[in-house]
Parts: sequence; C-alpha cells; structure tokens
Amino acid sequence: DAGVTQTPRHEVAEKGQTIILKCEPVSGHNDLFWYRQTKIQGLELLSYFRSKSLMEDGGAFKDRFKAEMLNSSFSTLKIQPTEPKDSAVYLCASSLEGSGNTLYFGEGSRLIVV
Amino acid sequence: GDSVTQTEGQVALSEEDFLTIHCNYSASGYPALFWYVQYPGEGPQFLFRASRDKEKGSSRGFEATYNKETTSFHLQKASVQESDSAVYYCALADTNAYKVIFGKGTHLHVLP
Repeated sequence: DAGVTQTPRHEVAEKGQTIILKCEPVSGHNDLFWYRQTKIQGLELLSYFRSKSLMEDGGAFKDRFKAEMLNSSFSTLKIQPTEPKDSAVYLCASSLEGSGNTLYFGEGSRLIVV
Repeated sequence: GDSVTQTEGQVALSEEDFLTIHCNYSASGYPALFWYVQYPGEGPQFLFRASRDKEKGSSRGFEATYNKETTSFHLQKASVQESDSAVYYCALADTNAYKVIFGKGTHLHVLP
C-alpha cells in the first residue's frame, strides 16, 4: 500500500506569495491532519478533517492558512500571503477511524520563505 | 486545553546506556497516549500506544507505562544503540475531539 504522499518536498517562496501544498492520504483512511513542524515549537496542529469534514480549523493559524479536502484522497494547504515566519516543515498525516488515532505521516514539505 | 510536556529537549548517551525520556500530559478523562519516532528526512513513525491506567506499551525494546496518578508516560529503553538516534515525540489523543496533540520532541543522540 502507498503511504501518505506529499508534494512538493521543497518549496522556496518570496514573502507575499501564495503557496499550495498537496497531500494524498493512505487509501481508505478517513482522518487527515496537517501539522507544522519547527525546532522551537515542535509539531503544531493546523487542521483536522474527518470524512472530508473540517473538525479543527487551526485556531491561531486561521487567518492565512486554509486547508481543504476536495475528495477523500486529496487535500491541500494554502498559505496566503506567505511570511518568513512560515518557514517550516509541513506534515500531512492520515489515520483510519477506529484505529485508535494511530497516525501515518508523509515525509513533509519543507517551505522556505525569503 | 490539552497539552503534552517533554522536559528534555536533547539527550546524549553512549551505546548500551539506559534511556529515560520524560513525558507528562494534561487532559481530562482518559486520553490515549503515544510515542512516535522521527528519523532525519522522514515523517514521524508510530512506535506504540497505551489507552488506560497502568497499561504498558512497547515496541523495538522501548516501553512506557500509562500512569494516571502522575499523568505521565515516560519512555524507557534498557540499552540504546547508535541507530536509536532520532527525535522522539510523546502525544495524546483527545477522546472527545479525536485530535492528536504532540509534545515538542526530544532529540536523542547515541554515541558509539
């Protein structure tokens, strides 16, 4: 089975640009999570979907971050406009409802904003 | 809100040393508790979980016991190897909201 696939693996953006990160969850999984990872803050939850419904919209990340789940096998995370402080690794994870919340992560998208 | 605290940001050990990484949580009810491990260039990988008081989770020689009294889930391994060098994350799953919250991670360096 294919794991979680994230694209692009690396992205360099100029301040103010719009970037879109993509995620394909494990086939059959119905929970999908977006996390931001930095050395200082560790893993911070951005968004959480269950069966394509948005359950968690990111709190402090709401204003410039928007996650969507267009169908059960594809999700995007849009950052608009980007700022240098958004430089981080963005991780997508999926899980099967009823699996006890065991998450399967992708390899992440490393974003650098200059 | 719910939270997970890992007190050690970095741990340096020699091979065959005993490992303890501390994890404490704050949550209502009985959250599920997890340990994940992350190697360079990869996403975190599930290590093991525990769901109730006094339950022990284990995998690959690592283990932790759910302690509701002390709200802890400390990771231990009797004899570490250089290949165990990685970042270890403690996490909890809120049983009501289903979301998974992570600690800030502990970077383990094992010297040969």
